[in-house]
Amino acid sequence: EVQLVESGGGLVQPGGSLRLSCGASGFTFNTYIMNWVRQAPGRGLEWISCISSTGTIYYADSVKGRFTISRDNAKNSLYLQMNSLRAEDTAVYYCARRVGLGLLDTWGQGTLVTVSS
Amino acid sequence: DIQMTQSPSTLSASVGDRVTITCRASQSISSYLAWYQQKPGKAPKVLIYKPSSLESGVPSRFSGSGSGTEFTLTISSLQPDDFATYYCQQYYSYPNTFGQGTKLEIK
Repeated sequence: EVQLVESGGGLVQPGGSLRLSCGASGFTFNTYIMNWVRQAPGRGLEWISCISSTGTIYYADSVKGRFTISRDNAKNSLYLQMNSLRAEDTAVYYCARRVGLGLLDTWGQGTLVTVSS
Repeated sequence: DIQMTQSPSTLSASVGDRVTITCRASQSISSYLAWYQQKPGKAPKVLIYKPSSLESGVPSRFSGSGSGTEFTLTISSLQPDDFATYYCQQYYSYPNTFGQGTKLEIK
């Protein structure tokens, strides 16, 4: 079964840091573009970053310079290092697999990040 | 960045109704569009891509059309399980932006 499981969310103070992880199973992880998408409470979906199998990376302007996406193909894992966190970064963070045509066909269950003092 | 605008933001309908949701892109995205369904507390689920190809397992009452800048998602006969929020997403260029969502409510 194809599965993605996020972890690492929690409560952090403004200006703090947090590292999210996403473990993948059931597919050949190193051949897929992996994405992070977030959803603030009561709001819509926001695509924030992706990384290709070869390490090409893109970010949304809202997180550029503060967040860093990475992957460890040997561990079938995706990461999101989040620094200089702000209240507006409070959201459920999903990892998602992108298939060749571009759609996000598999999503994790999400992990909640709350930025508050 | 490409802006995606959905309409309406909220749609009230009854079981058995035919409903259409529209998604407009701020510039041409060819056919690089997907539709997702999200229920409260759950991750989104892809319904349609490209933008008229049905994802495996998705009921045939869902259909999509369009190209360029205007796209539609149609549900031919609403079922109780269809009341959810729907999002379009362009994957023509990065950032792969989403529409703001359309909440489909029971009338």
